[in-house]
Amino acid sequence: GENVEQHPSTLSVQEGDSAVIKCTYSDSASNYFPWYKQELGKRPQLIIDIRSNVGEKKDQRIAVTLNKTAKHFSLHITETQPEDSAVYFCAASIIQGAQKLVFGQGTRLTINP
Amino acid sequence: DAGITQSPRHKVTETGTPVTLRCHQTENHRYMYWYRQDPGHGLRLIHYSYGVKDTDKGEVSDGYSVSRSKTEDFLLTLESATSSQTSVYFCASATGLHEQFFGPGTRLTVL
Repeated sequence: GENVEQHPSTLSVQEGDSAVIKCTYSDSASNYFPWYKQELGKRPQLIIDIRSNVGEKKDQRIAVTLNKTAKHFSLHITETQPEDSAVYFCAASIIQGAQKLVFGQGTRLTINP
Repeated sequence: DAGITQSPRHKVTETGTPVTLRCHQTENHRYMYWYRQDPGHGLRLIHYSYGVKDTDKGEVSDGYSVSRSKTEDFLLTLESATSSQTSVYFCASATGLHEQFFGPGTRLTVL
């Protein structure tokens, strides 16, 4: 089955700097890669996703890149702000039908003022 | 956020007792899921449903059963709770072509 590895487990950056979180997956059939943000005590919420037919997707300060050949994808956050502090999870699945998401272990991102 | 709810939000129970968690969605989503979240493991899929009375196992299904008698409700049952099932449980729902939307979570403690 699918296995998703996420690094680093913790990341601390200065406000205004960029943050990068990386994930690798094992199943070449996976074609859907969402990123979820979870604030303390809250539910996970989707911040961006990418499908395997594109290599990069941007939404304001957030971008995701996908390398299908190497089976890895990354989340990039630019101009970080205190409200970006949270735990971020990557996941992988097949988009059609029941999306049996396999999640990475999570990255706790701390933005230092 | 109001489209998917979970009950109870917190529960403390004793080893060996049965426990049922409820997930309710008002989005008419076909697919529903139960995950557990533990430190260092991210979220792991327990069971999922692809329609009324249609369910299947996820990666950590041992000790859990589910039922879906209506589109809007998905129940997770621990037949005989164990301390290893202490966790935060999230349900989610989806159309199947887009993102999964998560409920607020249930914190379960098994003593």
